[in-house]
Amino acid sequence: GEDVEQSLFLSVREGDSSVINCTYTDSSSTYLYWYKQEPGAGLQLLTYIFSNMDMKQDQRLTVLLNKKDKHLSLRIADTQTGDSAIYFCAEKGQAAGNKLTFGGGTRVLVKP
Amino acid sequence: DAGVTQSPTHLIKTRGQQVTLRCSPKSGHDTVSWYQQALGQGPQFIFQYYEEEERQRGNFPDRFSGHQFPNYSSELNVNALLLGDSALYLCASSTTRQASYEQYFGPGTRLTVT
Repeated sequence: GEDVEQSLFLSVREGDSSVINCTYTDSSSTYLYWYKQEPGAGLQLLTYIFSNMDMKQDQRLTVLLNKKDKHLSLRIADTQTGDSAIYFCAEKGQAAGNKLTFGGGTRVLVKP
Repeated sequence: DAGVTQSPTHLIKTRGQQVTLRCSPKSGHDTVSWYQQALGQGPQFIFQYYEEEERQRGNFPDRFSGHQFPNYSSELNVNALLLGDSALYLCASSTTRQASYEQYFGPGTRLTVT
């Protein structure tokens, strides 16, 4: 079955880069997504990457995908206090239909 | 352009009762998915509706049922509520016209079962 794992917590200083990591097990994953959730809110889609890509850059966000190791990362450049939130990675597997399988989330705390 | 909307925002129910949650998808979207997010966890897929039919279902009991209307809006019904059903219920919409199947989420309905 599908499984997605993330580290629980990341603390970073304002202005530094943040790197959030994610591993997944489904080798048939077609798309992988990063979502942001602020307290009491729904999930905001940040970016996604197709499984045949290694990297995708979108303004301050860089997604790296190592398909061989089934490892996904999200780098946030020049991290701001407004980036404090919980970040979820999710995968859509070819065999799993259109459902998304989410990791448990990484809480990012940005310190001034 | 309105995003995904959900109602109500919060709901308190008693064990054994039934609840109906509502979702309106983003304009132009034809597919609605429902997720349950327990406190401190990632969202878990409940089911997905397309063309007014349940297209895919996660590992949830039959107490969880849904419906999609001709205008693509959707309802989630939960019967015989248990304490463990307390969670944030998230609706997400997407379109079959995009291969990336990006799902856009609403703000959620917080259900508390006492």
